[in-house]
Amino acid sequence: DQQVKQNSPSLSVQEGRISILNCDYTNSMFDYFLWYKKYPAEGPTFLISISSIKDKNEDGRFTVFLNKSAKHLSLHIVPSQPGDSAVYFCAASSETSGSRLTFGEGTQLTVNP
Amino acid sequence: NAGVTQTPKFRVLKTGQSMTLLCAQDMNHEYMYWYRQDPGMGLRLIHYSVGEGTTAKGEVPDGYNVSRLKKQNFLLGLESAAPSQTSVYFCASSYMDLNGYTFGSGTRLTVV
Repeated sequence: DQQVKQNSPSLSVQEGRISILNCDYTNSMFDYFLWYKKYPAEGPTFLISISSIKDKNEDGRFTVFLNKSAKHLSLHIVPSQPGDSAVYFCAASSETSGSRLTFGEGTQLTVNP
Repeated sequence: NAGVTQTPKFRVLKTGQSMTLLCAQDMNHEYMYWYRQDPGMGLRLIHYSVGEGTTAKGEVPDGYNVSRLKKQNFLLGLESAAPSQTSVYFCASSYMDLNGYTFGSGTRLTVV
C-alpha cells in the first residue's frame, strides 16, 4: 500500500506565480517529512523538511505546510522560476523506521517563462 | 568531493544474466541505501545498511542481494535478471540525520 501519495503527476505554472505541490500520507506514525527535487539524469537532492511538532517551515522561496489532522502536507514555491522545473518527491519517516524514508510517486513541475 | 558514485550509469542485460551495481561514498556515512524508481511508483527501498558488515531488507527486496564489506561501498546484485527489474536504481548514503541523505546520479538498467 502506498503510504505516501502525491496525487498530481504533473503541474504547470507560469513564471512568477505560486507553485503548490501536495502530498498525503496514511501512516499516523510518520513524524518527519521531507521534500526532494530531482532533475533529469541526476539523483534527488534535499530541498526542505518539517517535523511533526511544527505546522510550517520556510526556507527562502520554499515553504512546507503540515496539517497533521488531515495527514496532508504541501510545498509552496513563491515566486516560481523556470529553474524550479523538476520532479518533486515527498518523503516521510517515523521513529521506528529510523533513517529509512518512504517516498511518494513524485510530481513533475514545469514552470513556463 | 565526489559524494556518492554509482557504477555503471547504463546497462542492458538479457533475462537470466547477472550483474552487480556498485555504490561508493566518500563522506564516511554509516547508512547506505538502494532504491529503485519506476514510473508512477516513486522511489522504493530495496535494501539498506546501517553500518559496515550489516544489511537489511527494504520494501522490495526480492530478486536482489546486497553486501557492505567496506564502509564506503554498498553493492547491489541481481543473480538472474528479469524484465520486471528494468528500472532506474539510486544509491544513497546518510548519517542518522534525515536531512543528510545524498543520492548518486542513478543507474539505468534495462532487462530484455
